Amino acid sequence: QSVLTQPPSASGTPGQRVTISCSGSRSNIGSNSVNWYQHLPGSAPKLLIFDDDQRPSGVPERFSGSKSGTSASLAISGLQSEDEGTYYCAPWDDSLNGWVFGGGTKLAVL
Amino acid sequence: EVQLVESGGGLVQPGGSLRLSCAASGFTFSNFWMTWVRQAPGKGLEWVANIKKDGSEIHYVDSVKGRFTISRDNAKNSLFLQMSSLRAEDTAVYHCVREWDFGYESYFDYWGQGTLVAVSS
Repeated sequence: QSVLTQPPSASGTPGQRVTISCSGSRSNIGSNSVNWYQHLPGSAPKLLIFDDDQRPSGVPERFSGSKSGTSASLAISGLQSEDEGTYYCAPWDDSLNGWVFGGGTKLAVL
Repeated sequence: EVQLVESGGGLVQPGGSLRLSCAASGFTFSNFWMTWVRQAPGKGLEWVANIKKDGSEIHYVDSVKGRFTISRDNAKNSLFLQMSSLRAEDTAVYHCVREWDFGYESYFDYWGQGTLVAVSS
């Protein structure tokens, strides 16, 4: 059971916009930056968003992140079939003194 | 090109030990924190441990404290995870991960493909 809560699944059709939430607490999201990782089948996880809302070079603009209080969100617009995979939020936790991952949200593109 | 290549995984009996290694290349290894992240079959990602650039600071997830030891050899660009008193719940793919930790930014920027550890009798 993770200290971060993500919906286990999400779905959308090509071109749609989907949002994935990540709920935490003062010791993790409330105090530290949130990073998001994309884990596609057969590949190693990949950094998608860092520092709440920053995109690494090479990540399309249709991926965006936001944070408010103890919750964070990842938005994917213009959904594409290659976006199918699992998405994880991950901040540092000051109480646990370690990184924590959300349980992961499996995204299906219908 | 940054490369992280894990080795040392395999089948081990409950209570046994295993040592994972990660060979790093394509960057100045001693300038980076390093991390181990695991994924159990059908489960999500779980951070296991990390170690500071010079090895002077180490953190573990509670479930492995006292059983796992992370270490590094900067002269050999290598990261290690010594695992003992292994349990069935330690069964997972273990990824070696580079941490970008500069200024206020901190995240995992490069991941190895992972090595499978299976704990079973």
